Amino acid sequence: QQQVKQSPQSLIVQKGGISIINCAYENTAFDYFPWYQQFPGKGPALLIAIRPDVSEKKEGRFTISFNKSAKQFSLHIMDSQPGDSATYFCAASFDGGSNYKLTFGKGTLLTVNP
Amino acid sequence: DTGVSQNPRHKITKRGQNVTFRCDPISEHNRLYWYRQTLGQGPEFLTYFQNEAQLEKSRLLSDRFSAERPKGSFSTLEIQRTEQGDSAMYLCASSPAGVGYTFGSGTRLTVV
Repeated sequence: QQQVKQSPQSLIVQKGGISIINCAYENTAFDYFPWYQQFPGKGPALLIAIRPDVSEKKEGRFTISFNKSAKQFSLHIMDSQPGDSATYFCAASFDGGSNYKLTFGKGTLLTVNP
Repeated sequence: DTGVSQNPRHKITKRGQNVTFRCDPISEHNRLYWYRQTLGQGPEFLTYFQNEAQLEKSRLLSDRFSAERPKGSFSTLEIQRTEQGDSAMYLCASSPAGVGYTFGSGTRLTVV
């Protein structure tokens, strides 16, 4: 049972364009939704995160949009740069639990062409 | 202390051998996690420590896998009688109370 479904699997964007990655979750107990960025040979790095009490969070060029009723959230990367080329993972966690273990999506390979 | 350190970075082993990986978390973080990541997939939760206590283990962690965190500092993950299906990146992460993980760069295991 895949609890967090991520799309698309891969994405190619021109420099300066907007990259959009979508995720859908099933478990309504999830209440913490982070996005991670992973470069080859490195571990995932936390990019931005949101809780369901807000519908949008923005940090620099990165924005999370959250739709609680649809159980969906998305990452928008504005003014995409070649340095943003990486694999992006959405994840979800039950923050009210005792362990904060993350359930990850399968990832999106983003390529930003110069 | 600049981050989560994992050693070795790469390990190639023959099927049936035992391997052990080490993770040194950020010193003030009392929570430590192990995840496994296979090619083209997101990380999957294996186990979790709060200080020295192992509080949860995933069904993915078969009897051949064991993890320890003596004295609540570094942690080791041992795989006994390795199988080709164990080939993956093993990621360690740590956090203070609450969310906000810092992952290490992982140990890539190849079983031949």
